[in-house]
Amino acid sequence: AQSVTQLGSHVSVSEGALVLLRCNYSSSVPPYLFWYVQYPNQGLQLLLKYTSAATLVKGINGFEAEFKKSETSFHLTKPSAHMSDAAEYFCAGVTNFGNEKLTFGTGTRLTIIP
Amino acid sequence: DAGITQSPRYKITETGRQVTLMCHQTWSHSYMFWYRQDLGHGLRLIYYSAAADITDKGEVPDGYVVSRSKTENFPLTLESATRSQTSVYFCASRDRAYMNTEAFFGQGTRLTVV
Repeated sequence: AQSVTQLGSHVSVSEGALVLLRCNYSSSVPPYLFWYVQYPNQGLQLLLKYTSAATLVKGINGFEAEFKKSETSFHLTKPSAHMSDAAEYFCAGVTNFGNEKLTFGTGTRLTIIP
Repeated sequence: DAGITQSPRYKITETGRQVTLMCHQTWSHSYMFWYRQDLGHGLRLIYYSAAADITDKGEVPDGYVVSRSKTENFPLTLESATRSQTSVYFCASRDRAYMNTEAFFGQGTRLTVV
């Protein structure tokens, strides 16, 4: 069965520094992977998704993620953090063709230090 | 307005009472989901539905009941609320057309059981 693991429940970076949020998947078949962001008291909003068309995926707000099959990873990055990036980030995946359930990681809370 | 809406946004109820959380989507998406969000657990799937009159259990279904008589509605009922069901509940919908389509989330319902 598909599972998604996020390393680090809390990450703090200084404003202007690189943001790196880690996500690994376990699956015997290539998954479909997503990153979502949740701002306080709001629902989840899609940041980007891996569609197998390209291993480097660009999303909204300057975020991108690289799918690495050899490392079973889909880490989220942003070159320069902004105060407005403070939020909770979730990695999610779908596998098992015909089973459309999204499996979520436990989330990473990103704090931006002024 | 197009989208997915949940009601109520906030609810306080007493232990033992029945509570129904409502979810409505306007896209005619085939799939609908209920998740609960708890600190340290991320989002856990309670129930999902592949189409009207088709529902199935997720990861944490005990104490919950769902129905889906119409494609656009997917209510979640807590038959006899317990304190452990205090949580934030999210409804989501997803088009089955492609595996890489994202799920769209409602704003959430914050439920407190006292």
